[in-house]
Amino acid sequence: EPEVTQTPSHQVTQMGQEVILRCVPISNHLYFYWYRQILGQKVEFLVSFYNNEISEKSEIFDDQFSVERPDGSNFTLKIRSTKLEDSAMYFCASSDTGYVAEAFFGQGTRLTVV
Amino acid sequence: AQSVTQLGSHVSVSEGALVLLRCNYSSSVPPYLFWYVQYPNQGLQLLLKYTTGATLVKGINGFEAEFKKSETSFHLTKPSAHMSDAAEYFCAVSPANTGNQFYFGTGTSLTVIP
Repeated sequence: EPEVTQTPSHQVTQMGQEVILRCVPISNHLYFYWYRQILGQKVEFLVSFYNNEISEKSEIFDDQFSVERPDGSNFTLKIRSTKLEDSAMYFCASSDTGYVAEAFFGQGTRLTVV
Repeated sequence: AQSVTQLGSHVSVSEGALVLLRCNYSSSVPPYLFWYVQYPNQGLQLLLKYTTGATLVKGINGFEAEFKKSETSFHLTKPSAHMSDAAEYFCAVSPANTGNQFYFGTGTSLTVIP
């Protein structure tokens, strides 16, 4: 069964450092998403990406965040200067339609900022 | 605006007993409704979804949910709990006219007691 894969599974970084979270979406999917879940809180939408550009983003997705599809398979989330409050589980997802998104989620990357 | 409320952050049931996880939503437009399950150290897996048509939706692993517009609810049920059902369950809503975003509830942790 096709799946979304995320690397690394856990990353620890110092405050102020840049981090890149990597995702390999399902190969024929065209819509890509990042969500995050701060411990004990709900899963929150960060950004959606289609046709090599951001289609929608939340208030959380400020200038410290960026996304990129550097090649035909990877989809990355970059945080330029991490803050303690960026510590969370980050989920990547992909879907083959922009509507009725039967999105497939990856297993997540747990980011810990110290 | 869309939001999801899951009543009960922790639910415990005995093995073989009925599972009932509650979800209420608010949406300014007709919503699509989803239930996701997250097993330990795994990603979010779609259990079932409601878009249009029959209001009783059957999903994987014996789960089902009923969309009740008058009650703005989408409760998840399973007649007989198995030990393997122990996981975190998330209700989510997606506006039918955009479909780019999911709005998740805070999740319900299900414990199955042998």
